[in-house]
Amino acid sequence: GAGVSQSPSNKVTEKGKDVELRCDPISGHTALYWYRQSLGQGLEFLIYFQGNSAPDKSGLPSDRFSAERTGGSVSTLTIQRTQQEDSAVYLCASSFGPAGGVETQYFGPGTRLLVL
Amino acid sequence: AQKITQTQPGMFVQEKEAVTLDCTYDTSDQSYGLFWYKQPSSGEMIFLIYQGSYDEQNATEGRYSLNFQKARKSANLVISASQLGDSAMYFCAMRDPWGDSSYKLIFGSGTRLLVRP
Repeated sequence: GAGVSQSPSNKVTEKGKDVELRCDPISGHTALYWYRQSLGQGLEFLIYFQGNSAPDKSGLPSDRFSAERTGGSVSTLTIQRTQQEDSAVYLCASSFGPAGGVETQYFGPGTRLLVL
Repeated sequence: AQKITQTQPGMFVQEKEAVTLDCTYDTSDQSYGLFWYKQPSSGEMIFLIYQGSYDEQNATEGRYSLNFQKARKSANLVISASQLGDSAMYFCAMRDPWGDSSYKLIFGSGTRLLVRP
């Protein structure tokens, strides 16, 4: 079946604008994760969903960041009033089982966000 | 706190030779999982191999094997018979299934591998 898909693949925006990043997990995967990878950096965990609920949002960098998941499938990461430091690659991953345990997380191709 | 350390920012290997990418980790837990991912220039993180802390045998997946030394807290990735397509960033990651943050992967800073023809 298809892997994790993300859209858009690239996004250029002006400082202060809002952006929405979309993630479509592997069909049947119950857990969904968002990570951020800044230039030359490792991956930073942002948030995860088990079903439609997000038990831990503490990884979100600021209150300008929010995420939701509907129907246990597609997730949207929204960044309001974007800042230049938000420029990064935003990666989404999904796993089959519950978020606990050592289920392998499968990643999408990422969305490259550039804030001018 | 859990931590992953990859001390090799960049590595070169000749095509068809084997290469070892180092990874050490720090955790006080007895149960955990270790992962390696490959990130080519396209940006996608590709899962390569997994090792559970209680697995007695080293994990292998095709040309990839994981040299797991629990006492030394190391989980080095060995790529045999390197190919040009192996040129990429490689990330070591850990997950603690029973900790407060069992859902998140903790990543190292990565090693950039370049395979020379």
